[in-house]
Amino acid sequence: QVQLQQWGAGLLRPSETLSLTCAVYGGSFSGYYWSWIRQPPGKGLEWIGENHHSGRTNYNPSLKSRVIIAIDTSTNQFSLKVRSVTAADTAVYYCARGYGDYSTRFDPWGQGTLVTVSS
Amino acid sequence: QSVLTQPPSASGTPGQRVTISCSGSRSNIGSNPVHWYQQLPGMAPKLLIYTDSERPSGVPDRFSGSKSGTSAALAISGLQSEDEADYYCSAWDDSLNGKVFGTGTKVTVL
Repeated sequence: QVQLQQWGAGLLRPSETLSLTCAVYGGSFSGYYWSWIRQPPGKGLEWIGENHHSGRTNYNPSLKSRVIIAIDTSTNQFSLKVRSVTAADTAVYYCARGYGDYSTRFDPWGQGTLVTVSS
Repeated sequence: QSVLTQPPSASGTPGQRVTISCSGSRSNIGSNPVHWYQQLPGMAPKLLIYTDSERPSGVPDRFSGSKSGTSAALAISGLQSEDEADYYCSAWDDSLNGKVFGTGTKVTVL
């Protein structure tokens, strides 16, 4: 049973860089798309992007200029960095295992990390 | 605003059947698989239906998915109190070149 556990800073000031990490336990790291998805308080889900274990990345066009998703196959971890955050980046961030370039099948998900951007 | 539109809310009494619609276009639902998620209060989303109508292991057969043209639907038969949650559809969008989620539907068990 694959499990994802995530962590990272929960309070940022505007213009800082958001940094989160997700560890994969109990399953293969290869062949999947390691993904990040966020949910602003009281709102719906937004796909941020993904990194295939081969190193190929896909990003939401609306966030692409500020986002980097990296993977570390030696530790079975992947990370998210979002630079120059604003209040609009306040959200619960989820890591998830994805199943394809053009697939929105994500399973399982991490527990979520609330990131608040405030001065 | 999402390109996949769902009704904001749906409700039913225990045992009833509830259906949630997900309306899209040819660039998303019309040409790509649809997946559905259940998000219980305060929890991470959970995959409920994949590739239009398939159920992951462990998901009760009370949940079923369907697709026709540019719309998809999630049905919950024999509604139970533990089904009270938010439900989201999702699909790849060829025009946006990205992965999109529906606006979400809150299901209330009366």
